[in-house]
Amino acid sequence: EVQLLESGGGLVQPGGSLRLSCAASGFIFSTFAMSWVRQAPGKGLEWVSAISPSGGSTYYADSVKGRFTISRDNSKNTLYLQMNSLRAEDTAVYYCATSTMVRGKGPNWFDPWGQGTLVTVSS
Amino acid sequence: QSALTQPASVSGSPGQSITISCTGTTSDVGGYNYVSWYQQHPGKAPKLMIYDVSDRPSGVSSRFSGSKSGNTASLTISGLQAEDEADYYCSSYTSSSTLVVFGGGTKLTVL
Repeated sequence: EVQLLESGGGLVQPGGSLRLSCAASGFIFSTFAMSWVRQAPGKGLEWVSAISPSGGSTYYADSVKGRFTISRDNSKNTLYLQMNSLRAEDTAVYYCATSTMVRGKGPNWFDPWGQGTLVTVSS
Repeated sequence: QSALTQPASVSGSPGQSITISCTGTTSDVGGYNYVSWYQQHPGKAPKLMIYDVSDRPSGVSSRFSGSKSGNTASLTISGLQAEDEADYYCSSYTSSSTLVVFGGGTKLTVL
C-alpha cells in the first residue's frame, strides 16, 4: 500500500524557518516526481513545489520562490521542504503527493496525497 | 482570487446528476489537456478523481466523468450518492511561471 507521511509542522514566528519531511513507502520512491501542495485554513489548494525523480530538477510557485527549497533523499525514501523567511500567509496544511510531470516543464496531476502537516506562522 | 473559476456550491438529490465547471484561459485549461479533479472530504486529504481531462484512476467510480470545451473543463457526477458530498477542486498545468493553478473549490451538497 502506498503511504506518504508528513512531519515537521508546528508553530513558528514570522521570519523563522521550518523543515518538513515526507516519508514514503509502498512504491519505488526514486522513480516518481514529488510535490508539496498547501491549503490555508478554510481555503483552497495551492501548489508549492515539485522535484524530479532524481532530484536534478526543481520547480517552485512564485509565492515561495527564493524562500523554500525542495529536496529528496532517495536512499531514505524521504522528501523534504525547507521553509525560510516564513510569513503569516504561509500558514497552511502542507501535503506531499506523488506527481506526474508535463514533459519536464512542471507538475500535472497529484496522486496519492499524504495526510498533511500543519504549519502555523504567528508571533 | 483563484486562477481557475469554479462555482462556490452546487447541490443535487440522490440519484441525480450534477456538473461542476472550471473556467480558465488559453494558457491553462484551454491550451492543454492537463486538467485534473480532486475530491476532498472535511479534514481529509484530497483524492484524485479525474486526470488529463477525462481519464479516471483505477478504483474511482465510473459515475465520475470529465470533459472540456474551450477554456472550460467540467466534472460530472451521475447517480449522486450521499458519500459524494465533499469539496471538489480542479487543477491545470499552465504555461505561466505559476506552472500549476487550482480552482477555488466547489462544495457539493447532496440534498
